Amino acid sequence: GAVVSQHPSRVICKSGTSVKIECRSLDFQATTMFWYRQFPKQSLMLMATSNEGSKATYEQGVEKDKFLINHASLTLSTLTVTSAHPEDSSFYICSARHRYQETQYFGPGTRLLVL
Amino acid sequence: AQSVSQHNHHVILSEAASLELGCNYSYGGTVNLFWYVQYPGQHLQLLLKYFSGDPLVKGIKGFEAEFIKSKFSFNLRKPSVQWSDTAEYFCAVRGDYKLSFGAGTTVTVRA
Repeated sequence: GAVVSQHPSRVICKSGTSVKIECRSLDFQATTMFWYRQFPKQSLMLMATSNEGSKATYEQGVEKDKFLINHASLTLSTLTVTSAHPEDSSFYICSARHRYQETQYFGPGTRLLVL
Repeated sequence: AQSVSQHNHHVILSEAASLELGCNYSYGGTVNLFWYVQYPGQHLQLLLKYFSGDPLVKGIKGFEAEFIKSKFSFNLRKPSVQWSDTAEYFCAVRGDYKLSFGAGTTVTVRA
């Protein structure tokens, strides 16, 4: 089946530093990747949609300069949390949509803790 | 804009009991509907999906869901649950380009 990986699975960083999270579709090409944020006991909130080779589309209220998204290839998208603050601590999940399908496949998530 | 609501926050039931989780959505046009499951410590997995055709959709692990267009609903069912069905269940809708999720329902199955 379609597999999406994320790296790292968890990261702890100091306030003010930047953290990069990678999302890879391992066995399929993903023209579109999505980045979500999940708060404890809550649903997934879409942060942005990235299409390979073009700029990401951010949801309302998501700061594009803070959450930098790059989708350089059909199998890789990265989310960089710049100048992280404790309130950025969360569970970040990426999802990839198969090039020839409509189904989205989800990565295992990255737990970010900013101290 | 599209939105999804799941009726139950937490459901507790015994093995072999039947399960039904409610999901309603709001969107004015054609939608794609999904149910995802998240087992403890694991990532989201697709249980089943509806794009068109037969409104009764069968998914993995014995789950099924019925799309009732007039009620804007896509309820998930399983006739007889197992302990291993303990998980978080999310209903999701795609009307425009993005997938919107419900708040999720935690299902706890007692042995």
